[in-house]
Amino acid sequence: QVQLVQSGAEVRKPGASVKVSCKASGYTFSNYDINWLRQTAGQGLEWLGWMNPLTGDTGYAQNFQGRLTLTRNTSISTAYMELSSLSSEDSAVYYCATGRYCTTGVCFPTADHWFDPCGQGTLVTVSS
Amino acid sequence: DIRMTQSPSSVSASVGDRVTITCRASQVIHNYLAWFQQKPGKAPRSLIFAASRLMSGVSSKFSGSGSGTDFTLTINSLQPEDFATYSCQQYESYPFTFGGGTRVEFK
Repeated sequence: QVQLVQSGAEVRKPGASVKVSCKASGYTFSNYDINWLRQTAGQGLEWLGWMNPLTGDTGYAQNFQGRLTLTRNTSISTAYMELSSLSSEDSAVYYCATGRYCTTGVCFPTADHWFDPCGQGTLVTVSS
Repeated sequence: DIRMTQSPSSVSASVGDRVTITCRASQVIHNYLAWFQQKPGKAPRSLIFAASRLMSGVSSKFSGSGSGTDFTLTINSLQPEDFATYSCQQYESYPFTFGGGTRVEFK
């Protein structure tokens, strides 16, 4: 069963950092990018960034440049999202999801796993 | 960044109705468009890839069309489990961007 399982809910104070994990199973972790997105209360979906598990290459939405870090541990098929300098506006449910298929140095979108699976979500609450 | 504009923001419908949602991109994205369904408290579910290709396991009641800048998602014969929020996403270029969502509500 192809799935992504995320770590549990977090509560942080303004100015702190949070690190969320996303463990992959049922497929070859290095074959698909991992994307991170979030949904704030009552708002639409917002894409944060991507990471290639094979190479470690990353890309970030400009809004999060400088305070978002995406990493991975290939030995345990787990991706991580760390967001720093948190404010109340970062309170949201954060999701990881598969993206582009990567093989022999080339990555491209494919219907096989386009944002499917998606992790179950991690609620991050930022409050003083 | 490419801006994705969805309309309507909400629609009221009854079981058995057909619903059509539109999505417009601020620049040409060819067919690099996906549609998602999301229910309260649940993760987004990928429905359609490349504007019109159904994801594996998705009911054929869902269909997508369009290319360039204008796209539509049609849901035929609406059932209770289809009442949800639907969002479009462009992946022609980074950053991937989503439309604001369309809530399909029970009339």
